[in-house]
Amino acid sequence: GNSVTQMEGPVTLSEEAFLTINCTYTATGYPSLFWYVQYPGEGLQLLLKATKADDKGSNKGFEATYRKETTSFHLEKGSVQVSDSAVYFCALSHPGANNLFFGTGTRLTVIP
Amino acid sequence: NAGVMQNPRHLVRRRGQEARLRCSPMKGHSHVYWYRQLPEEGLKFMVYLQKENIIDESGMPKERFSAEFPKEGPSILRIQQVVRGDSAAYFCASSPWNDNEQFFGPGTRLTVL
Repeated sequence: GNSVTQMEGPVTLSEEAFLTINCTYTATGYPSLFWYVQYPGEGLQLLLKATKADDKGSNKGFEATYRKETTSFHLEKGSVQVSDSAVYFCALSHPGANNLFFGTGTRLTVIP
Repeated sequence: NAGVMQNPRHLVRRRGQEARLRCSPMKGHSHVYWYRQLPEEGLKFMVYLQKENIIDESGMPKERFSAEFPKEGPSILRIQQVVRGDSAAYFCASSPWNDNEQFFGPGTRLTVL
């Protein structure tokens, strides 16, 4: 079956700290992998994605690399800002599939 | 181009009442997906619809829940005889075709008293 496991939060960091949020997955075949971000009171926004092994998705200073050998898609950012405070969801989907499979989300709080 | 719109943003119902949640997809998008987010959990797929057709409802509870996406107008997720366990955030997403990338609305937060 398909599943996504994320590191549990909440995560609290000081501004300019390095961020890693772990994500591993279980899936058949070759899924596409995503990170979504949910700011307070809002819906999910696609942050970045990768569609095949060794691809690196990047956006707004965030990066994640599709590692098939370790079935991982860890999210990283070198220097977080207060405005990065949000809930981050890792997700997967199969090409042509009808739905996304989400992890439980990791709440990040960045303090000045 | 307006994003995915959902209304109401907040809905309060008493046990036994009906809840109707609406979703207007992005312009040009004919594929709609509904997800439910229970407190402290990730989103769980409920149903996938195209105009006038339910394509995949494998995530829908067998009773009380229904969804439609008529030729004209928004997609509707309907919950009959709500119970406290239905309290959740319901998110709608749309895509121009059945592709991986889905665009999400702001969600409807349903509270059942």
